[in-house]
Amino acid sequence: SQELEQSPQSLIVQEGKNLTINCTSSKTLYGLYWYKQKYGEGLIFLMMLQKGGEEKSHEKITAKLDEKKQQSSLHITASQPSHAGIYLCGADARTSGTYKYIFGTGTRLKVLA
Amino acid sequence: NAGVMQNPRHLVRRRGQEARLRCSPMKGHSHVYWYRQLPEEGLKFMVYLQKENIIDESGMPKERFSAEFPKEGPSILRIQQVVRGDSAAYFCASSPLPPTSGRHNEQFFGPGTRLTVL
Repeated sequence: SQELEQSPQSLIVQEGKNLTINCTSSKTLYGLYWYKQKYGEGLIFLMMLQKGGEEKSHEKITAKLDEKKQQSSLHITASQPSHAGIYLCGADARTSGTYKYIFGTGTRLKVLA
Repeated sequence: NAGVMQNPRHLVRRRGQEARLRCSPMKGHSHVYWYRQLPEEGLKFMVYLQKENIIDESGMPKERFSAEFPKEGPSILRIQQVVRGDSAAYFCASSPLPPTSGRHNEQFFGPGTRLTVL
């Protein structure tokens, strides 16, 4: 079955450093969503990408979707302790009109002050 | 506009008991989704419901698990005769449009219910 592969699984960076998280699918996606989950809490929507080649930014976080709509990256510039948490990519991977919403396994980010 | 509400936030049950998890979607949202997150794992889709209808339950275990979304009131995820392996965080999400609408359709997540089976 189709799944989303996220890498790395965990990441520890020093405050102020840049970092990138990747999300890869074996098939073309209808939409790619990035969420942040604080430890023990629910998901917070970050960004949604729908068009091949699309790029969106919010504060210090930038997300891109490749032209084939199979790979997305999330880039954080000048990381801060407040960026710590679990980053999840989710995707609308439906085929033939049937519903299929899948998630990656998550990337656990720690930012050292 | 209140977000997605889930209760209880924490639920402890002994093996063999029943667990009932409630989800109130955002106002105006008639599409509800349930997900399970096992410790150290990602979210797994369980079931998608519209008012009074189960649309897709392909992620639901065949036994002991059931879900409903009545005309009035919250959506309920019911787990009968719980076992230790049911211990997980259960998240509910809602959206204003059906997932096959072909348009941007963000899912709004609740804070989750953490079920512990002793």
